[in-house]
Amino acid sequence: RKEVEQDPGPFNVPEGATVAFNCTYSNSASQSFFWYRQDCRKEPKLLMSVYSSGNEDGRFTAQLNRASQYISLLIRDSKLSDSATYLCVVTEGYQKVTFGTGTKLQVIP
Amino acid sequence: GAVVSQHPSWVICKSGTSVKIECRSLDFQATTMFWYRQFPKQSLMLMATSNEGSKATYEQGVEKDKFLINHASLTLSTLTVTSAHPEDSSFYICSVGQGSGNTIYFGEGSWLTVV
Repeated sequence: RKEVEQDPGPFNVPEGATVAFNCTYSNSASQSFFWYRQDCRKEPKLLMSVYSSGNEDGRFTAQLNRASQYISLLIRDSKLSDSATYLCVVTEGYQKVTFGTGTKLQVIP
Repeated sequence: GAVVSQHPSWVICKSGTSVKIECRSLDFQATTMFWYRQFPKQSLMLMATSNEGSKATYEQGVEKDKFLINHASLTLSTLTVTSAHPEDSSFYICSVGQGSGNTIYFGEGSWLTVV
């Protein structure tokens, strides 16, 4: 079993749609959780941190469920510019960073 | 602005030659930097942890004599791919961790093509 598992994707959604990504992790000692966005041939960029209390930033909402070891990302009113690969990242301090394989999102006009 | 700067962004080299990639922490001192490799359509894979003033720690399966890492200052780590082969062609990315929230910042990445 992979340490961090994500929806396989790809997700092809029309503009304006709401799309949700899921991620599960196996290391119960994990401390910090993030969603990163990676555009084709670019480095990953931090999208948002994920907290148990939930975290909302505009059209993006992230949620963490420690009991179930589950992380989610919700994107509302999808834009063409949201097309990218979304990486679930779980860390145990700086020394242990684990990436999911990523979920590709393609927003269609 | 960028927190971590990586250079070069693109490099093409002949098989058998060596290539050096630099990673600079711009806004803060970094005693530890990380080097990743990403093949097409795959996730980032940690290659090694670069430690300022000491030897790097390599992940299993990564040849330390092939991927030389030097972290001579608190703001600069270098990765040298020695005797490069076409199978070394990949996207190499460095990262630095910062803050109490353990946020990871990445360099822009370096595309290496070995011909």
